[in-house]
Amino acid sequence: GAGVSQSPRYKVAKRGQDVALRCDPISGHVSLFWYQQALGQGPEFLTYFQNEAQLDKSGLPSDRFFAERPEGSVSTLKIQRTQQEDSAVYLCASSLRGDTEAFFGQGTRLTVV
Amino acid sequence: DQQVKQNSPSLSVQEGRISILNCDYTNSMFDYFLWYKKYPAEGPTFLISISSIKDKNEDGRFTVFLNKSAKHLSLHIVPSQPGDSAVYFCAASELGGNEKLTFGTGTRLTIIP
Repeated sequence: GAGVSQSPRYKVAKRGQDVALRCDPISGHVSLFWYQQALGQGPEFLTYFQNEAQLDKSGLPSDRFFAERPEGSVSTLKIQRTQQEDSAVYLCASSLRGDTEAFFGQGTRLTVV
Repeated sequence: DQQVKQNSPSLSVQEGRISILNCDYTNSMFDYFLWYKKYPAEGPTFLISISSIKDKNEDGRFTVFLNKSAKHLSLHIVPSQPGDSAVYFCAASELGGNEKLTFGTGTRLTIIP
C-alpha cells in the first residue's frame, strides 16, 4: 500500500530485552515523527526527523530510547533494557513537509512482561 | 501537566443529530489546531485543522470553531452518521504545522442508529 507501514504490529518483550521498531514512511515524505500512546491516553511526541536529521528528540523519555533515520526514509526506534512502563502503542507518522498533513501508521503495540 | 484537555471521555449522539466535541488548551503559544479520528487497531486519521488567525473552518459535515480568548475549540459534525463512531483526538502545535503535536486524551463518539 501507499500508506505508512510499521512493523511488527505486535511485540512482546521480556523486561530487560532490547527491541527495535520499524517505520516505512510514505515515499517522498520529508518529515517523520514518532509518538508513544499509553492505554487510555492520547499520543505523546517522542521525536521528529527532517530527512535524516533528527531535529527534535525532546520527547524521548530516557536515554534507553534511540531513533534513527540514516538514509532519510526508513526509521527505527530502539528501546534498550525495556521496562514495564514502556508498554504502549508506538505510532509513526510522515508528512510531505512539516507544515502539511501527517499520515499515521497503524502502530506497534509493545507489551513488556 | 495536560496542555490539551478533552474533558468528555465519551459521547453518544442519535444518528442525524449534531455531534459537538470540545477541547480546551492552556498553552497560549499554540497557534495551529487539528482534529484526528481513530478507529480501533488503526492509526489516527487527520480530519480538519484550523490556524489561530481564523475562528472557523468548515469541510463538508465537519466544522471546527476556535475561541482564542477562552482557549477553547470544538468540532461539530452534522448530520452525524454511524461511520462517525470513533475516538476523536484534539491536537495542537506551536509551530504552525505538524511538528511536535500535543494531543488530548480523546473522546469516544458513539452514533446511535
